[in-house]
Amino acid sequence: NAGVMQNPRHLVRRRGQEARLRCSPMKGHSHVYWYRQLPEEGLKFMVYLQKENIIDESGMPKERFSAEFPKEGPSILRIQQVVRGDSAAYFCASSPPGFSPLHFGNGTRLTVT
Amino acid sequence: AQTVTQSQPEMSVQEAETVTLSCTYDTSESNYYLFWYKQPPSRQMILVIRQEAYKQQNATENRFSVNFQKAAKSFSLKISDSQLGDTAMYFCAFMKVDDYKLSFGAGTTVTVRA
Repeated sequence: NAGVMQNPRHLVRRRGQEARLRCSPMKGHSHVYWYRQLPEEGLKFMVYLQKENIIDESGMPKERFSAEFPKEGPSILRIQQVVRGDSAAYFCASSPPGFSPLHFGNGTRLTVT
Repeated sequence: AQTVTQSQPEMSVQEAETVTLSCTYDTSESNYYLFWYKQPPSRQMILVIRQEAYKQQNATENRFSVNFQKAAKSFSLKISDSQLGDTAMYFCAFMKVDDYKLSFGAGTTVTVRA
């Protein structure tokens, strides 16, 4: 049973470009969560999605950031017009219904140059 | 909002010895979950141990055990017989029951010396 798969592992973007981060949840998991880890900090909640629905995006910056979890395919975290402050590790986690302990992926490290 | 505080940025321990990591939290909830996650250099977030606040008995997982003091809002992690593979950053985290958001502390870097 494969774990939570995130790709790419590393992503480098120039300021102003778009970043697309992908997450495939564990088999049987219908809930996806995105967290951001800034350098020397713990993870901070960004957004919670179920298939085709955004349940809670209270941790997402109001501009440039969006997330989706389509009926088919992985969840996507999209950052438009990236800035240096977006440089961080972005983690995806998944769970089955019932909010049992989250299973995390290995993260995507985004570097904005 | 819940806050989680880890007051030790770094800890160093000799192989085979014991190290204790501290964590305090602030909440008005009476029932909740507490977790310790390990993040090795590979960056993977690995669940080490979980504690339900309504349980008085401290959780244990092999060489990892916690000291949960609900009144003091303290949740320390003890790593016994430390191994080189325990070298990692350790995060304390809080979650309300029936919620889905984890609130993390800033982490403690543990280095196990040979």
